[in-house]
Amino acid sequence: AQSVAQPEDQVNVAEGNPLTVKCTYSVSGNPYLFWYVQYPNRGLQFLLKYITGDNLVKGSYGFEAEFNKSQTSFHLKKPSALVSDSALYFCAVRDTSGTYKYIFGTGTRLKVLA
Amino acid sequence: NAGVTQTPKFRVLKTGQSMTLLCAQDMNHEYMYWYRQDPGMGLRLIHYSVGEGTTAKGEVPDGYNVSRLKKQNFLLGLESAAPSQTSVYFCASSYWGENQPQHFGDGTRLSIL
Repeated sequence: AQSVAQPEDQVNVAEGNPLTVKCTYSVSGNPYLFWYVQYPNRGLQFLLKYITGDNLVKGSYGFEAEFNKSQTSFHLKKPSALVSDSALYFCAVRDTSGTYKYIFGTGTRLKVLA
Repeated sequence: NAGVTQTPKFRVLKTGQSMTLLCAQDMNHEYMYWYRQDPGMGLRLIHYSVGEGTTAKGEVPDGYNVSRLKKQNFLLGLESAAPSQTSVYFCASSYWGENQPQHFGDGTRLSIL
C-alpha cells in the first residue's frame, strides 16, 4: 500500500538554528512528493515539490527538501529558522496507481523558540 | 485572484439536519477534492472529482454526497448530520497531471450538536 509517514508529531528548534522535518514514503514507481504548510485557521499552502532531477529542491520562504531514493525520504530543511516558521507541516505523495489521489502524512508541528 | 473559496466559513448544526458546503475555484482546474481534518489524523479524503460531471469516493465517503455540475464548483452535502461529522472541511483543486500541487481553501469549521 502506498503511504507517507511523518515520524515526529512536533519539532522544537531555536530561532536561527537549522531545522529538519522528516518524511518517508512508500509508493510504487517514481514518486511525486510535496510539502505543504498550514498556519492557524488557514488552508494548506504549497511549499515545494520533487518530480525528477536534482535531489535538493528549493521552495518558498527559504525552505528546501532533500530527496533520498535509497532511504525513501523527503526531509524538509531550512538553514536558519524563524519564529514565523512555526506552523503545521504536511508531506504528501501523489498516488501512482492511477486514482488521482494525494496521500498525506499526519503532519508535524514545528515550534521555533525565540 | 480568489483561488479556492469555501462557503460558509463556520456553521453549527443539530443532529439530523442537512447542509451543503460550497467550493468554488477560479483557476480552471480539472481536479477537485474534499477532505476533512481532525486532530491527530491529518487529512482524510472524502470524495473527489476529475472533471465536470464526475465524482469518486475517497477514504471516508459514508454520510456525504458530492456533485460537480460545473467545472468551477464542487459541492459537499451532508444529508443527515451526525456528531461524528464535526470537523474542519477543506476543499482543494489542481491541474491535470501527477506533478501538480493542490491549492486549498481556508476551510469550513462545522460543529454538529
